[in-house]
Amino acid sequence: DTEVTQTPKHLVMGMTNKKSLKCEQHMGHRAMYWYKQKAKKPPELMFVYSYEKLSINESVPSRFSPECPNSSLLNLHLHALQPEDSALYLCASSRGEGGGGLEQFFGPGTRLTVL
Amino acid sequence: AQSVTQPDIHITVSEGASLELRCNYSYGATPYLFWYVQSPGQGLQLLLKYFSGDTLVQGIKGFEAEFKRSQSSFNLRKPSVHWSDAAEYFCAVGRTDDKIIFGKGTRLHILP
Repeated sequence: DTEVTQTPKHLVMGMTNKKSLKCEQHMGHRAMYWYKQKAKKPPELMFVYSYEKLSINESVPSRFSPECPNSSLLNLHLHALQPEDSALYLCASSRGEGGGGLEQFFGPGTRLTVL
Repeated sequence: AQSVTQPDIHITVSEGASLELRCNYSYGATPYLFWYVQSPGQGLQLLLKYFSGDTLVQGIKGFEAEFKRSQSSFNLRKPSVHWSDAAEYFCAVGRTDDKIIFGKGTRLHILP
């Protein structure tokens, strides 16, 4: 299984709502990632988890809260978002450890709209 | 600092014509290079990768890329494009701290 799955596909939320994005992989990968992608731009890294521990936070606002409950699951909790947070949120995973392990496998993304 | 440059924001080719998308990188050590493709509203799919060995690498969907260390380039090619190849293409370099640096992307348009 070389698939990364993400739910939901689409999410519309108000600025006072709390919601969560979910990502799952069953490839035994040790590293998992959250990216934010605006239209016509490359993905921007938000967070990296390595062995279920947060290893990189790219100065993301606290209204985004990641969680890695186990080695296969990655969540992104959303609270008090702003309209400018509307974007495609991509999850990815990799084996890590350099060389061929750097290849990242991406999920299909969650299209988030904040009203 | 590490970087990836894709000089062409948009490229238009006719269906059946050949394609070359340019990518230049700046990286101090041995680069781990990737080309990803993204259709509108979708995730990124890996087309091909280079880590070491043969500098001409074959990928999926008939794509290939050639690593040229002397030119710091990793250009993507396809001999004959299909309408379904219309998409955004990202060149990227992998770092040993688990990060990938993406280029800004090249949007490929196909004329019928």
